[in-house]
Amino acid sequence: DQQVKQNSPSLSVQEGRISILNCDYTNSMFDYFLWYKKYPAEGPTFLISISSIKDKNEDGRFTVFLNKSAKHLSLHIVPSQPGDSAVYFCAASITQGGSEKLVFGKGTKLTVNP
Amino acid sequence: NAGVTQTPKFRVLKTGQSMTLLCAQDMNHEYMYWYRQDPGMGLRLIHYSVGEGTTAKGEVPDGYNVSRLKKQNFLLGLESAAPSQTSVYFCASSYQDRATGYTFGSGTRLTVV
Repeated sequence: DQQVKQNSPSLSVQEGRISILNCDYTNSMFDYFLWYKKYPAEGPTFLISISSIKDKNEDGRFTVFLNKSAKHLSLHIVPSQPGDSAVYFCAASITQGGSEKLVFGKGTKLTVNP
Repeated sequence: NAGVTQTPKFRVLKTGQSMTLLCAQDMNHEYMYWYRQDPGMGLRLIHYSVGEGTTAKGEVPDGYNVSRLKKQNFLLGLESAAPSQTSVYFCASSYQDRATGYTFGSGTRLTVV
């Protein structure tokens, strides 16, 4: 039962254009959402997060949008740069038994072409 | 500022052998986690710890044991390795600040033959 879904395994965009990465979730108890970026042979690095009480959070070129009614979030990267080429993981946070757990999607590989 | 350090980075084991993966963090984080990443599977939680001396099971704990004897270290043990445990293992740590996410190590690539 996959609770966090990233339905696009890969995405290719031109440098300077917008990259939109999508994520869907099924558990309405998730109350925090995060995006991580992962380069080959490295660990994931935290990119941006959003609380379930918000619908948008922006940090420089990165913006995350949350649509709670649709159980959908997206990450926008504007403008995209070749250095953004990486695998992006969506993660959802839930507190169970007094401790927080993150559930990850399978990832979307973004390629930004010069 | 090392962050989260995992050792070893690579290892090849024979079926039935045992080994321990070490994770060390220097950020004074309370929470530590072990994940595995398999192709097409994303990151799955094996075990986690909410503080020194505590451990708990995650999503895929079978075949693994963990210990958190010191706050800065979280050890993942494989008592009898199986080919199904071939994976990339990531350790992570965090504060109880849900907005800032986890800090991950660079991973251990384990192959069981």
